[in-house]
Amino acid sequence: EAQVTQNPRYLITVTGKKLTVTCSQNMNHEYMSWYRQDPGLGLRQIYYSMNVEVTDKGDVPEGYKVSRKEKRNFPLILESPSPNQTSLYFCASKGRTYNEGFFGPGTRLTVL
Amino acid sequence: GQNIDQPTEMTATEGAIVQINCTYQTSGFNGLFWYQQHAGEAPTFLSYNVLDGLEEKGRFSSFLSRSKGYSYLLLKELQMKDSASYLCAVRDHQTGANNLFFGTGTRLTVIP
Repeated sequence: EAQVTQNPRYLITVTGKKLTVTCSQNMNHEYMSWYRQDPGLGLRQIYYSMNVEVTDKGDVPEGYKVSRKEKRNFPLILESPSPNQTSLYFCASKGRTYNEGFFGPGTRLTVL
Repeated sequence: GQNIDQPTEMTATEGAIVQINCTYQTSGFNGLFWYQQHAGEAPTFLSYNVLDGLEEKGRFSSFLSRSKGYSYLLLKELQMKDSASYLCAVRDHQTGANNLFFGTGTRLTVIP
């Protein structure tokens, strides 16, 4: 089954404790991206990657890092999480020749 | 930059027709997307328009006018399961990656 998976789905952590949210897709898509979704603000792009070893900042990259060492994986790293990073995070992927984007199930992160 | 505007909430009756409008301003327009998102779930792709006119897909249709910076999503024969948020998104080629920029979404409530 074609899908985007994220782990963990739910996470409660404390300020300053490094964490990684994994994202993996099995559709051989070149393009992957991370969004955060907050009430009243909609989906905002954090980082994106057009292919392996190619990453770039989106609209709200501060406090986040990403890597793209393999085509299927695009982890989101929070080196020192802060309460303002409490949000619902979505990973998405898209093939080069298709318009339809596929979203992962989301990760609800709470930083205390 | 991008400026995408859609109503925050709408209510409609089961069996009726509802139209959700979206206006946008973007310097590098390269397509408009509609996504459906049920509460707590991932967005799922509904439609894509890049040329002016109406695209019909079952009970859902999407219209685009590029000169007016305007789109709408038309939902016919509303069902209770159509209660969800509907996200308008614009693809912008100026970043070189054809990134998607989302509006804040329209929460549709279908009542019996």
